Amino acid sequence: DTEVTQTPKHLVMGMTNKKSLKCEQHMGHRAMYWYKQKAKKPPELMFVYSYEKLSINESVPSRFSPECPNSSLLNLHLHALQPEDSALYLCASSPTDSLSSYNSPLHFGNGTRLTVT
Amino acid sequence: ELKVEQNPLFLSMQEGKNYTIYCNYSTTSDRLYWYRQDPGKSLESLFVLLSNGAVKQEGRLMASLDTKARLSTLHITAAVHDLSATYFCAVTINNNDMRFGAGTRLTVKP
Repeated sequence: DTEVTQTPKHLVMGMTNKKSLKCEQHMGHRAMYWYKQKAKKPPELMFVYSYEKLSINESVPSRFSPECPNSSLLNLHLHALQPEDSALYLCASSPTDSLSSYNSPLHFGNGTRLTVT
Repeated sequence: ELKVEQNPLFLSMQEGKNYTIYCNYSTTSDRLYWYRQDPGKSLESLFVLLSNGAVKQEGRLMASLDTKARLSTLHITAAVHDLSATYFCAVTINNNDMRFGAGTRLTVKP
């Protein structure tokens, strides 16, 4: 069982809808991540939050809006998505904001499979 | 720009055979990770390699790291069907920026 919990597991939305993906961890980790994974492709980094502040935004379109209400929660707000945004969205966490100083991998959730119609 | 290259991208092997997956990366990194992903599932961490010459083993999988050559290998010994999955290597740059290779899709056949 993963210690990073993502909801919902599946989401189907129209291009005019507004929805949110949620991610929660209770491991005391201080960095949280959003990755996007298209079918048969590697995960691609979207956003990183360190100590509840956005530290990396990989030039993600504004129709994706991240939010970190506290150190345990990470949201991804979706609005006016396109069919090509359909993918598996993975949340991950790490103990610190510096993977280079900690001997631990990212801890991934089970993902939300998003379909945009 | 960091490039992480894996080969082969597809690997079909018979049970009982040995094989090696290679991961090359283009810039200095002090961490190399191997993950496994089953179809439709999340990523499971296999190994974290921290230094030059590091070798770690878990069951039929053994990973090594040569930071001078910027090369990591994942060796599979006496493959079994349960090892069928996609294997990703990843490196970190700039503290918490983790980048993945394209993945190697492994199929182990009876």
